[in-house]
Amino acid sequence: AQKITQTQPGMFVQEKEAVTLDCTYDTSDPSYGLFWYKQPSSGEMIFLIYQGSYDQQNATEGRYSLNFQKARKSANLVISASQLGDSAMYFCAMREGRGTGANSKLTFGKGITLSVRP
Amino acid sequence: ETGVTQTPRHLVMGMTNKKSLKCEQHLGHNAMYWYKQSAKKPLELMFVYNFKEQTENNSVPSRFSPECPNSSHLFLHLHTLQPEDSALYLCASSQVLVSGSTDTQYFGPGTRLTVL
Repeated sequence: AQKITQTQPGMFVQEKEAVTLDCTYDTSDPSYGLFWYKQPSSGEMIFLIYQGSYDQQNATEGRYSLNFQKARKSANLVISASQLGDSAMYFCAMREGRGTGANSKLTFGKGITLSVRP
Repeated sequence: ETGVTQTPRHLVMGMTNKKSLKCEQHLGHNAMYWYKQSAKKPLELMFVYNFKEQTENNSVPSRFSPECPNSSHLFLHLHTLQPEDSALYLCASSQVLVSGSTDTQYFGPGTRLTVL
């Protein structure tokens, strides 16, 4: 089974509107971390937001928030007030365990393309 | 320079060439990673170095040879590559915390490699 699933086709959103990008994950480890990265056409992977499995509150970073539903194993990214510069690929990733030694690696989903329309 | 830098940004090489990719992190981190991103495939972890020691080799062919001379620099030496090795190669770094766990990974801009 895939550890990170991102199944949405290319997403479109009108500028200034909110958009939700879906991510589901699969792990039997009670300790894990979930990450979202943005990859513009330039190629750089830009870290957006992190959610730990034991965090009680949903993570927020400026216009980004993570809708963490542990029982459903979903970690959706919500972008509020979309901007033209938000057009990019968005990747969900997971680190299983506490990230010690060999468990420091990230497993990435296939990504979602987001296009913001003016 | 800030963050994670990678050189060159673009590289075209023949199958018989030998080349090296360079990564440098200016974040004071002590763990570094190489990832491969092929078209229409998820990022694949290749190598992990913690405190200059290789802790992960994700079944990477021997034509890829990593080198980590210190916590700030990471190289990927390439030789006798195949056309299917054409991809974006991303370097990342993170901090190994006092607890031994690893903090968020920060990525460089990548090297776009084309093998002819």
